[in-house]
Amino acid sequence: DQQVKQNSPSLSVQEGRISILNCDYTNSMFDYFLWYKKYPAEGPTFLISISSIKDKNEDGRFTVFLNKSAKHLSLHIVPSQPGDSAVYFCAASATSGTYKYIFGTGTRLKVLA
Amino acid sequence: EAGVAQSPRYKIIEKRQSVAFWCNPISGHATLYWYQQILGQGPKLLIQFQNNGVVDDSQLPKDRFSAERLKGVDSTLKIQPAKLEDSAVYLCASTRRQPQHFGDGTRLSIL
Repeated sequence: DQQVKQNSPSLSVQEGRISILNCDYTNSMFDYFLWYKKYPAEGPTFLISISSIKDKNEDGRFTVFLNKSAKHLSLHIVPSQPGDSAVYFCAASATSGTYKYIFGTGTRLKVLA
Repeated sequence: EAGVAQSPRYKIIEKRQSVAFWCNPISGHATLYWYQQILGQGPKLLIQFQNNGVVDDSQLPKDRFSAERLKGVDSTLKIQPAKLEDSAVYLCASTRRQPQHFGDGTRLSIL
């Protein structure tokens, strides 16, 4: 049972344009969400997070939006840069439990120069 | 601040052999996690430690996998005997508060 889904395995975007990565979840107990970025042969690196008490969180070029009623979150990268080319994983956690993270399967973003 | 250290980076073994991975978390991080990441999938939690106690090992295949964190600092994950399906990257993560910080992993190939 896939509790966190990233339905787009890959995405290509022109440099300077907006990248939008999507993530859906099924468990209504999840209340903390994160995005990680992963380069080849490296571990995932934390990018940005959002608590369920918010619907938006920004950090520089990265913004995460949370729609609780739709159980959907998205990561916007504006403007996209070639160095953003990586695999992006969303993760969800229930803070009332052990803070265990459930990860999606990832979206490979390619930013074209 | 030094990151999460893992070794070895790569390991190739034959099926039915045993293998061990080592993780040293970020200094002061009480919580340590081991994940398995199979190609094309996201990381899947195997076991979570709080100091030297196990918090969650519900996804650990206990007939062949074992893990310990005896002094509440570094940790070892062992597989004995290995199966072909164990080919994956094994990631260690640690945290004091959110978020979790990951090491670069050990890539295990089973022949």
